[in-house]
Parts: sequence; C-alpha cells; structure tokens
Amino acid sequence: AQSVTQPDIHITVSEGASLELRCNYSYGATPYLFWYVQSPGQGLQLLLKYFSGDTLVQGIKGFEAEFKRSQSSFNLRKPSVHWSDAAEYFCAVPGNTGGFKTIFGAGTRLFVKA
Amino acid sequence: GAVVSQHPSRVICKSGTSVKIECRSLDFQATTMFWYRQFPKKSLMLMATSNEGSKATYEQGVEKDKFLINHASLTLSTLTVTSAHPEDSSFYICSASSTRDRGRGEQYFGPGTRLTVT
Repeated sequence: AQSVTQPDIHITVSEGASLELRCNYSYGATPYLFWYVQSPGQGLQLLLKYFSGDTLVQGIKGFEAEFKRSQSSFNLRKPSVHWSDAAEYFCAVPGNTGGFKTIFGAGTRLFVKA
Repeated sequence: GAVVSQHPSRVICKSGTSVKIECRSLDFQATTMFWYRQFPKKSLMLMATSNEGSKATYEQGVEKDKFLINHASLTLSTLTVTSAHPEDSSFYICSASSTRDRGRGEQYFGPGTRLTVT
C-alpha cells in the first residue's frame, strides 16, 4: 500500500538560511508526487508537483523539489527562507485504491527565526 | 484557475443543532470532491469521497448518518454535521479533483471551515 513519511515533525531555520524538508514514499510504480503548504487556519495550497520528466521540479514561492527514485524521496528545498514561509508542509501521493484519494504525510511544521 | 471556495469560513453552533458547509469549485468542474477533517497540529483525515450524482463513500469509522454529504452538481458539494456535539468541533476542509486531472490525484483545496460546537 502507498504511504508517505515525513520524518521531521518540526524544523526551525533562521531567516535567510536554506531549507530542506524530507519526504519518503512507498509506491508500486513511478508515483505522482505533491507538496502542499498550509498556513494556520487556512486550506492547503499546492507548491509543486511531479508527474514525469525532469526530476527537479520548480514550484511557487521559490520552492523546488527533487524526485529520487533510488531513494524513494521527494525532498522540498528552498535556498533562502523568508519569515512568511513559516507554515505546515505536507507531502502527498495519490492512492491506488480507487476514488482518486490522496495519501498525505503527517506534515512538517516549519518555524523561522529572525 | 482551479479555485475552491468554502462557506462559511467559521461557524459556531449549539450542541444538538445541524450545520451545513458548502464547497464549490468556482472555475472548473469537479466530478469528485473530498471532505477532510483536521485536528489541531495533525494531518488531514479523509472523511469521505463524494462523486456527483451518487452516494458518498465514507472512510472507516466515519458515521454517515452524522456527516451527510450531498454532491448535487459538478460544482457543489455540501457536508451537513447533524446533531452536532462539542467533539465535532474541528477544522473541515474540502477539496476537488478536476475532471481533467482525476487520474493524477491532484486536488484543489478550499480554505477550510472552523466549526465550534458549544
């Protein structure tokens, strides 16, 4: 069965520092992969997605993610974090049990310190 | 494009009353809509999958008589919390899959509804 693991419950980085949020997946074939961001009290916004092709995917707000099949990973990165990036980040893959459900990771809370 | 709205954004109701939450896809047709519940500092818990014109499919452990879902059109799904109790207080989020993107699993999320039952 598909699963998504985000090993870090929370991460704190200094403003201006680089960021990497980890995501590992379990999937039977080449997956579609997503990263979503959720600000407090808000819904989820799609940051970026991987369907096929170039394994380095560019997203909104300066984020990028790299699909590494050998490591079953899809880590999210940003070279320079801004205070407004503080939020919850979810990695996700589609389920294959029908109904087009999405399997979400547990989320990583990003704190940004001045 | 691909905007999903939810109404209301916040609602406070008394125990025993029913509350209806609307989810609309504003600029695309959504064959499938999903309803999630999110507890504080937790990930999203899928409650049900709703397909236009058919009965919703509920996840295990979700009471279908308590959480009524109607997907009457390709742009509107509603979640009604019946006989609400304080333990139903939560953040409810809907999402929609475009008829074009179903196979890829991409979903577009609404802004969420904060329900507080007193």
